Order: sequence, then structure tokens, then C-alpha cells
Amino acid sequence: EAQVTQNPRYLITVTGKKLTVTCSQNMNHEYMSWYRQDPGLGLRQIYYSMNVEVTDKGDVPEGYKVSRKEKRNFPLILESPSPNQTSLYFCASMKGGLYEQYFGPGTRLTVT
Amino acid sequence: AQKVTQAQTEISVVEKEDVTLDCVYETRDTTYYLFWYKQPPSGELVFLIRRNSFDEQNEISGRYSWNFQKSTSSFNFTITASQVVDSAVYFCALSEARTGNQFYFGTGTSLTVIP
Repeated sequence: EAQVTQNPRYLITVTGKKLTVTCSQNMNHEYMSWYRQDPGLGLRQIYYSMNVEVTDKGDVPEGYKVSRKEKRNFPLILESPSPNQTSLYFCASMKGGLYEQYFGPGTRLTVT
Repeated sequence: AQKVTQAQTEISVVEKEDVTLDCVYETRDTTYYLFWYKQPPSGELVFLIRRNSFDEQNEISGRYSWNFQKSTSSFNFTITASQVVDSAVYFCALSEARTGNQFYFGTGTSLTVIP
């Protein structure tokens, strides 16, 4: 089954404790992206990647890191999480430029 | 400035009514794509439609229809004869060829269909 998977689905952590949210897709898509969803703000793009070793900042990249060492994986790293990073995070992939994105199920992160 | 504006935060309709969700976008690019996504209460994001800037034909898919008007920078979504299963948050999104596939989403419209 074609899908985007994210782990973990739920995470509660404390300020400053480094964490990684994994994202993997099995559709051989070139493009992958991370978003955060906050009430009243919609989805905002954090980072995106057009291909392996190519990443670009979205609208809200501060406090996040990403890497794209393999085509199928695009982990999101929070090196020192803060409470304002409490949010619902979505990973997405698409086969190339300007096509529709396929989204993962979301990761709900709470930073206390 | 917001590139995609969905002015309707929440809409409630009674089942079988028609409802239109508004989307206004802003871009200086001549090549761009517009999208609609649905987020039901279960939380996943479901792709509904993709439209490029060179195709202003309206599209109909069952009870769903989309009206794209470049003159007013709008890409509105109409649900005909709404059903309870249409209750969801709907997002409009824009991607510009110039910026290399950065996506801009609106803030969403929460639709509640009352039985």
C-alpha cells in the first residue's frame, strides 16, 4: 500500500530534550516536506526537499533541522524543543514538482 | 502578507444545502498550482483537486465543483447537497513554480453539516 508513515504518532517531552520525528514514504517520490498545523494558522511549511541531499527552508524553519540522506526518509529534528513547538506535525511527499502531496497521519507533539 | 486567504473560519449548513468555500490567493508568478485538501475529524489530510494557472475551466466531481477565476484570484469550492460526511476542515493551497515548490496553505474553513 502506498503510504507516508510517521513515528511517533504522539510524543510528550520536556524543554531542551532533543527529539527526532521520522518520516518514510514507499512511493519513490522525489519531493518530501514537513508542516506544522496550529489552530487558526492552518498548515505552515517548515522544510522541504526536492531530492536526496537537497533541502530548503519553508515559512517557519527556526528551531528545526532536517536531513535527506535517502530518498524514502526525511526526519525532522528538534535539537532543543521549546513549548512554542507544541503542535501537530505532518510529513508529505509527492512525485515531482507541483503535483499533489500525500500526507502522513500526523505526529502530535507536546513540549512542556 | 498571506498568500492564501480563506476568510470563512467556520460554516454550518443543514444537510442537503449547497455550500461554497471561498479561497483567494496572491501571486506574481504566471505559473502556479492551486489545491484543495480535506481534513475530516479523524485528522488525515486528503487531496481533492489540483488546478494549474493555465486552466480556468471549472471542474465538477460528483457533488463537488470548483470555480477558478484568475481575474479575481479566486478558487472557490462548492459542495452541492451537502452530507454529514462532508463535515471537515477544508484547506486551499498554492504552489508557485518560481519558488521551487514551496507550498502555502490557507488557514482552513471548518464545515459542519447538521443532520
